[in-house]
Amino acid sequence: GESVGLHLPTLSVQEGDNSIINCAYSNSASDYFIWYKQESGKGPQFIIDIRSNMDKRQGQRVTVLLNKTVKHLSLQIAATQPGDSAVYFCAEMSDSGAGGTSYGKLTFGQGTILTVHP
Amino acid sequence: GAGVSQSPRYKVAKRGQDVALRCDPISGHVSLFWYQQALGQGPEFLTYFQNEAQLDKSGLPSDRFFAERPEGSVSTLKIQRTQQEDSAVYLCASSLLERGPYEQYFGPGTRLTVT
Repeated sequence: GESVGLHLPTLSVQEGDNSIINCAYSNSASDYFIWYKQESGKGPQFIIDIRSNMDKRQGQRVTVLLNKTVKHLSLQIAATQPGDSAVYFCAEMSDSGAGGTSYGKLTFGQGTILTVHP
Repeated sequence: GAGVSQSPRYKVAKRGQDVALRCDPISGHVSLFWYQQALGQGPEFLTYFQNEAQLDKSGLPSDRFFAERPEGSVSTLKIQRTQQEDSAVYLCASSLLERGPYEQYFGPGTRLTVT
């Protein structure tokens, strides 16, 4: 079936380093990808998104890269801070609902645990 | 309120009991989603409402799961005759409009433990 998957990596970095979190997806029909951050005891929090017609998008300290050829998505966090410690999920949405538009159903990957050491 | 709220935050149920989980979405949000998150996993879609209409319930794992949103605002997820495999965090999310992609705002979840 269609899936978006992380291979359950754990990433440990020092404060100030750059972090890169990767995600592989299998649904070539996906039109929209989102990265979420989830802290313990909280719901997922939107970080950044990218549409399938783009290959890069930048936000504040974060950059998302999309490689459709190999169905790969990555999240880069610059100057990682202890407050960035969390589980990070990629998610995909396909524009394939009724009438050709999606109502927003998300398919999530398994998550990467990011630990930032001061 | 400022965000999506869910209650209770924690629920312990004995196997076979019925439970009801509540979601208060952001006021005015048309779309409401329920997701189930097992320990160490990403959330998995359960069901979707557009206003009061349940347009997709393809993710509900069994007929013991039932969701409603009768007035197009608050939603309740009910699980009948709970089983141990129902133990998970149940997340609710809402978004402003009925078509994607629009940001979904998640609540803190209800952690259900079935003993």
